[in-house]
Amino acid sequence: KQEVTQIPAALSVPEGENLVLNCSFTDSAIYNLQWFRQDPGKGLTSLLLIQSSQREQTSGRLNASLDKSSGRSTLYIAASQPGDSATYLCAVTNNAGNMLTFGGGTRLMVKP
Amino acid sequence: SAVISQKPSRDICQRGTSLTIQCQVDSQVTMMFWYRQQPGQSLTLIATANQGSEATYESGFVIDKFPISRPNLTFSTLTVSNMSPEDSSIYLCSVEDRQTYGYTFGSGTRLTVV
Repeated sequence: KQEVTQIPAALSVPEGENLVLNCSFTDSAIYNLQWFRQDPGKGLTSLLLIQSSQREQTSGRLNASLDKSSGRSTLYIAASQPGDSATYLCAVTNNAGNMLTFGGGTRLMVKP
Repeated sequence: SAVISQKPSRDICQRGTSLTIQCQVDSQVTMMFWYRQQPGQSLTLIATANQGSEATYESGFVIDKFPISRPNLTFSTLTVSNMSPEDSSIYLCSVEDRQTYGYTFGSGTRLTVV
């Protein structure tokens, strides 16, 4: 059974810092990995999708990497801003059309 | 990518009553997924809904408590039945985007049972 772990559970940084969020998964036979952002009480917004054959994806200040063999992914946020404050969730699927298995999330606070 | 309209966005309900949550997708999709997010927790899959067949429920979730309808390829409902305060959660629907193979989520329904 796939298990996904995210470290740290919470993070508080001053504005402008570069930061790294970590995600690990127990079964390396994934189909893809997706990073989401969730604002309090809201739904999920997709940030980056990495397919199993890819090693990284970039969107603006965000960069996500994937190391399937070691079962790890990182989300790098450059020059953090207060508007980045949210919970970041990592999720994997083991096959096309299958359910997502989520990590517990990292709650990020960026202080002005 | 697919766009999902989910409603209601939030509701406060009396214990013992039922609430039906709707998700409308702007394109045809084979499967729709329903998740629950309890306060301070991550997302847990409730069931997978295929059009034309009964939903497949995950361990710990039963059809009598969470009946699901899937009348066509763009629409699904989840009902939370005979609610108790323990059902207070955010409920979300999701579909796989056939263009990107990523997943898109509805905006969520924040349910409070009093």
